[in-house]
Amino acid sequence: DVKVTQSSRYLVKRTGEKVFLECVQDMDHENMFWYRQDPGLGLRLIYFSYDVKMKEKGDIPEGYSVSREKKERFSLILESASTNQTSMYLCASRGTGIPYEQYFGPGTRLTVT
Amino acid sequence: EDKVVQSPLSLVVHEGDTVTLNCSYEVTNFRSLLWYKQEKKAPTFLFMLTSSGIEKKSGRLSSILDKKELFSILNITATQTGDSAIYLCAVEPHSGSARQLTFGSGTQLTVLP
Repeated sequence: DVKVTQSSRYLVKRTGEKVFLECVQDMDHENMFWYRQDPGLGLRLIYFSYDVKMKEKGDIPEGYSVSREKKERFSLILESASTNQTSMYLCASRGTGIPYEQYFGPGTRLTVT
Repeated sequence: EDKVVQSPLSLVVHEGDTVTLNCSYEVTNFRSLLWYKQEKKAPTFLFMLTSSGIEKKSGRLSSILDKKELFSILNITATQTGDSAIYLCAVEPHSGSARQLTFGSGTQLTVLP
C-alpha cells in the first residue's frame, strides 16, 4: 500500500514564525503536491514537484515556498506565517504510470495566531 | 483555466436514501475525471473515469461520465451513516508536467440514522 505521511497532524504557530511542513512518500513517486483545503473552496494547489529539485507554482503560491532535495520528501515552507494561512494542508504523491490517482497524506491542521 | 463545479455543496439524507452528486467541468484537453471520498482524514480514491457512458461501480457507489455535456455523477444507493463524508471531484488534463489535478469544492454529505 502507498503510504504518504506528514510530520504533524496539528500545529499552532504565531504570526511571523517560519513554519515547515514535511511530507514523505514510500512509493518512489515522481510527482508530489501540496494543497490547502478551506471550507467551501475545496482543495487548492499551492506547489507541486515532478522530480527532485524541480518545482512549479500551483494556483495559490503566494506566501509559500517548497523544497525537494530527495525524491521521497517534499517540504512546504511558510516564510512568515500569517493568520490567513490558517488551514488544513494536504500532501499528495502520484507516479507516472498506473495507478494514476493521487495518494494523500492525513493532513496537517495549521493554526496561526 | 480549468474549472470544476460540484453540486450540491451539502446534502442531508436519512439512512436508506439514494443520493446523486454532480460534477461539471471545463478543462483544456481532458484526460480523466476522478472521485474521492474524504472523512476526517486523507481523501481516498473512489473512481477514475475516462470514457463517456461507461459506468464504474463499487458496491453501492457508481459513477458515470458524459464527455459531451462535460459532467459526471456519483450515485450512492441505500446510504449508511458511514457514507457521511466530503465527496471531491477532480479533473486531469493531458498537459501538465506532473499531471496535476483541479478539484471542485466538494459536496458535504451527511447521512442521519
